[in-house]
Amino acid sequence: DQQVKQNSPSLSVQEGRISILNCDYTNSMFDYFLWYKKYPAEGPTFLISISSIKDKNEDGRFTVFLNKSAKHLSLHIVPSQPGDSAVYFCAASVGGSEKLVFGKGTKLTVNP
Amino acid sequence: GAVVSQHPSWVICKSGTSVKIECRSLDFQATTMFWYRQFPKQSLMLMATSNEGSKATYEQGVEKDKFLINHASLTLSTLTVTSAHPEDSSFYICSASSGTLGYTFGSGTRLTVV
Repeated sequence: DQQVKQNSPSLSVQEGRISILNCDYTNSMFDYFLWYKKYPAEGPTFLISISSIKDKNEDGRFTVFLNKSAKHLSLHIVPSQPGDSAVYFCAASVGGSEKLVFGKGTKLTVNP
Repeated sequence: GAVVSQHPSWVICKSGTSVKIECRSLDFQATTMFWYRQFPKQSLMLMATSNEGSKATYEQGVEKDKFLINHASLTLSTLTVTSAHPEDSSFYICSASSGTLGYTFGSGTRLTVV
């Protein structure tokens, strides 16, 4: 049973537009969520995180929204740039645990 | 910032041989390191949690005798794939918890068993 789901395997957007990546989770005990960006043959790099006590966290062009009632979070990238093209993973953890549960990832392509 | 170095970045080995992958935290001490495995188009699956000076904790379904983990110091954890088989071919990634710095990942190791 997959506890963290990224139902869109890929997303394509035009440069300058907004990219919205979605993530759903089933475990209501998750209280910390992270987004990672991964290039081929490299390890993931941390992008942004959000605690369950918040519903929004912003860092430059990246904003993460959390809807606890819907068990849904999303990553907004605006404006999108070609260098943002990568696979984006959503991850979650429970109660300060260091174990992360990852989604399958969404491949974002930003077209010039 | 926190840096985790993982070596080798890729390795090809024959069936039946063993392969060791190293994960080092370069500028911080990591009491806990994590080993993940990723199959194509799949999520990163946690294999085990490695704690300095103690035995690793393996996730359900991961063979501890096949995937040997050693965390001998606060800056080094190793994963040894013993008696490798083609089905062990995968992308292995380590991660270290740096406390306030969060999680830092290594660059990954592409293992191909022929």
